[in-house]
Amino acid sequence: GENVEQHPSTLSVQEGDSAVIKCTYSDSASNYFPWYKQELGKGPQLIIDIRSNVGEKKDQRIAVTLNKTAKHFSLHITETQPEDSAVYFCAAGGTSYDKVIFGPGTSLSVIP
Amino acid sequence: KAGVTQTPRYLIKTRGQQVTLSCSPISGHRSVSWYQQTPGQGLQFLFEYFSETQRNKGNFPGRFSGRQFSNSRSEMNVSTLELGDSALYLCASSLLGGRGEQFFGPGTRLTVL
Repeated sequence: GENVEQHPSTLSVQEGDSAVIKCTYSDSASNYFPWYKQELGKGPQLIIDIRSNVGEKKDQRIAVTLNKTAKHFSLHITETQPEDSAVYFCAAGGTSYDKVIFGPGTSLSVIP
Repeated sequence: KAGVTQTPRYLIKTRGQQVTLSCSPISGHRSVSWYQQTPGQGLQFLFEYFSETQRNKGNFPGRFSGRQFSNSRSEMNVSTLELGDSALYLCASSLLGGRGEQFFGPGTRLTVL
């Protein structure tokens, strides 16, 4: 069945360093890849997304890359700040079934 | 624009009981999806409704059901509760369903004793 794997499950970085989270998906028909950030006590919130016709997308300190051939996509956060500490979820969707499959999440801690 | 609201925020039930959770989407959004979030399993897709029709369903037993009303508000029901149903239940609304940004509510924390 459809599956999204995400690594690492936990990540700790020093403030100012970069953080990278990697995901792989199984359904080759997927063409929409969002990333969500969930802070404690809140629902997930979209931070960036990419569609399959684009290889890379950047928004200030956040960037996402997509390799459709390998079915990999990654989130890159540069110059991390303490407020980046949260759980990050990758997801794959956009297939004919119109649903999104989420990865298990990465807990990011940015140490001041 | 008001966000997605979910009620109640917290619920405590005992095994065998049933529960109904409510979700009010963002005005104009006709797609409402439900997810179960647990520490070990992440976000698991339950079902998605669009214009009162269930378009997709995840791999959950028939004890989990839902519906959507003409004003796009949605409810999900869990019957014969089990201990393993304890979780955060998240509702998300969107314009495009799984093909676009979803806006999540704060969730309903269900505890089954």
